[in-house]
Amino acid sequence: SQQGEEDPQALSIQEGENATMNCSYKTSINNLQWYRQNSGRGLVHLILIRSNEREKHSGRLRVTLDTSKKSSSLLITASRAADTASYFCATDTDRGSTLGRLYFGRGTQLTVWP
Amino acid sequence: EPEVTQTPSHQVTQMGQEVILRCVPISNHLYFYWYRQILGQKVEFLVSFYNNEISEKSEIFDDQFSVERPDGSNFTLKIRSTKLEDSAMYFCASGGQASNQPQHFGDGTRLSIL
Repeated sequence: SQQGEEDPQALSIQEGENATMNCSYKTSINNLQWYRQNSGRGLVHLILIRSNEREKHSGRLRVTLDTSKKSSSLLITASRAADTASYFCATDTDRGSTLGRLYFGRGTQLTVWP
Repeated sequence: EPEVTQTPSHQVTQMGQEVILRCVPISNHLYFYWYRQILGQKVEFLVSFYNNEISEKSEIFDDQFSVERPDGSNFTLKIRSTKLEDSAMYFCASGGQASNQPQHFGDGTRLSIL
């Protein structure tokens, strides 16, 4: 099945450090999205990267995509305590017409210590 | 910024009862989704809805589930006869003018079946 899997499962860093989370998936995709979830809250969309893109930036976020390795990474630079959350990658699939169905991984729990 | 709103935030129901979870998607969006997240597990796709009909549903979305867009603004998920295993966080999401646009999620409804 098409599922993103994040690595590591948990990441603990100090404020100011960079945080890197990875995602691997199994089948070809049209796009990959990263989401953030604070405890007990909904998913907040961070960034979408399309299969023909290799890198994308948004503020302190940098996402890369390597379709040959079926993997993506999310880098948060100069992390802050407020970045503490779970981060998920979500993929679609280019197989047939799925009309936007997303497949989520289990997420990386990021803790940023002040 | 426009957002997806869900009500109620928490629903407690006896097993076998019917529940209706409500969502107001972002107003100019055309694609609507329901996902669920059982505690400690992945976010799972339930159903997508476009042009007033279901476009895709997962194996979870059996005959006990139904969706409706009754008045052009609300989007509802009905579970006809709830089971203990339906206890989960249910998220509504909406996407823009195409199925490969970012999906924006509500804060979810926590459904507890007793």
